Amino acid sequence: NAGVTQTPKFRVLKTGQSMTLLCAQDMNHEYMYWYRQDPGMGLRLIHYSVGEGTTAKGEVPDGYNVSRLKKQNFLLGLESAAPSQTSVYFCASSSHETQYFGPGTRLLVL
Amino acid sequence: GENVEQHPSTLSVQEGDSAVIKCTYSDSASNYFPWYKQELGKGPQLIIDIRSNVGEKKDQRIAVTLNKTAKHFSLHITETQPEDSAVYFCAASISGAQKLVFGQGTRLTINP
Repeated sequence: NAGVTQTPKFRVLKTGQSMTLLCAQDMNHEYMYWYRQDPGMGLRLIHYSVGEGTTAKGEVPDGYNVSRLKKQNFLLGLESAAPSQTSVYFCASSSHETQYFGPGTRLLVL
Repeated sequence: GENVEQHPSTLSVQEGDSAVIKCTYSDSASNYFPWYKQELGKGPQLIIDIRSNVGEKKDQRIAVTLNKTAKHFSLHITETQPEDSAVYFCAASISGAQKLVFGQGTRLTINP
């Protein structure tokens, strides 16, 4: 069991570029989440999904899009990256309340 | 919506002493309160959780207490060890929504 995996681990983007972060889980969990972590602000929910084919906005959704075409995968897209999106991004999955986190993707937008 | 406040933001204790981190929440309907530990360069890992029908839960050197009336809960670590050094996050569930709201985090340093 790999648990929750994230790709890539680290990426540098220029302002205006686009990219997709991939999250995969092998625990057959229904729920998946994308968070961003910034110093002093804890973990803030960007988007989440309660099942295959569903997505919903979290606390800070602007500038991001998501898709959940397969139950095991949850993709986070940045269409036009901005320096304010420099952060560490964490994916999580759950079957009930307990969420299991991936190792994170560190993104730097110049 | 739910708001979770966590204090202190940094905490330094001598090895062997106890550490206490406190959180308050705003939504009285919240019923699930997990604590996560995040080591440098890694994702958060669940260390203990408590539900609203329980006042206290203990797992070896770690305990969590919940006061529903005051809407606050605390993490207690006894006999601290160097490997306890990490960032700790509390969270509260939004009832029925399968979502967690996190506190701002506490950086705990254990001094040898």
